Amino acid sequence: QSALTQPRSVSGSPGQSVPISCTGTSSDVGDYNFVSWYQQHPGKAPKLIIYDVNYRPSGVPDRFSGSKSGNTASLTISGLQAEDEADYYCCSYAGRYTWVFGGGTKLTVL
Amino acid sequence: EVQLVESGGGLVEPGGSLRLSCAAAGFTFSGFWMHWVRQDPRKGLVWVSRINSDGSVTSYADSVKGRFTVSRDNVKNTLYLQLSSLRVEDSALYYCARAHRSSWTTFDNWGQGTLVSVSS
Repeated sequence: QSALTQPRSVSGSPGQSVPISCTGTSSDVGDYNFVSWYQQHPGKAPKLIIYDVNYRPSGVPDRFSGSKSGNTASLTISGLQAEDEADYYCCSYAGRYTWVFGGGTKLTVL
Repeated sequence: EVQLVESGGGLVEPGGSLRLSCAAAGFTFSGFWMHWVRQDPRKGLVWVSRINSDGSVTSYADSVKGRFTVSRDNVKNTLYLQLSSLRVEDSALYYCARAHRSSWTTFDNWGQGTLVSVSS
């Protein structure tokens, strides 16, 4: 149950697109299409923004999109806005009813 | 509106015990799997435990297996986590989270968390 690997920080200017990667193994990300992404603002609870690799819950802007290739999943935020500045966490199902999160990525909007 | 409210956190010495609660409202609690997830500044979010809708099946992260026990009371609409043999590294903000209705591997609603501090 080793944590998924995410970059510690990324940044972008308003209007730009920013990708955030999430690398796991063939036992988690690579084996299941069950990757989800969570946005967390300071002092707040995490909020679901992507599930099952590329599905958005209702109410989440279509600027947020997800994808996966092999053992790496990605979250892309297009048309970056100031309110997107937050921490982002990926999570994958890891089999036998266990889950593993990434270490989190801090997004800074310049 | 879905509401999840955790309670029961506090300061405890290493080796001690604590019981966390998560009161649920705004949805049919007995129809959903539930999870506990913890967060500390060093490791970020870490999945801890999961329980199925009727409480008959549970699973745990290796780091807490044998020390933590998850349970639920579907009459009281409350989820529990019994923490025993606590270690300093168990110090964290503990969240309860609901599983998504159609995507059972997803956490679609989270509480605000209850803080556990393990220190002598």
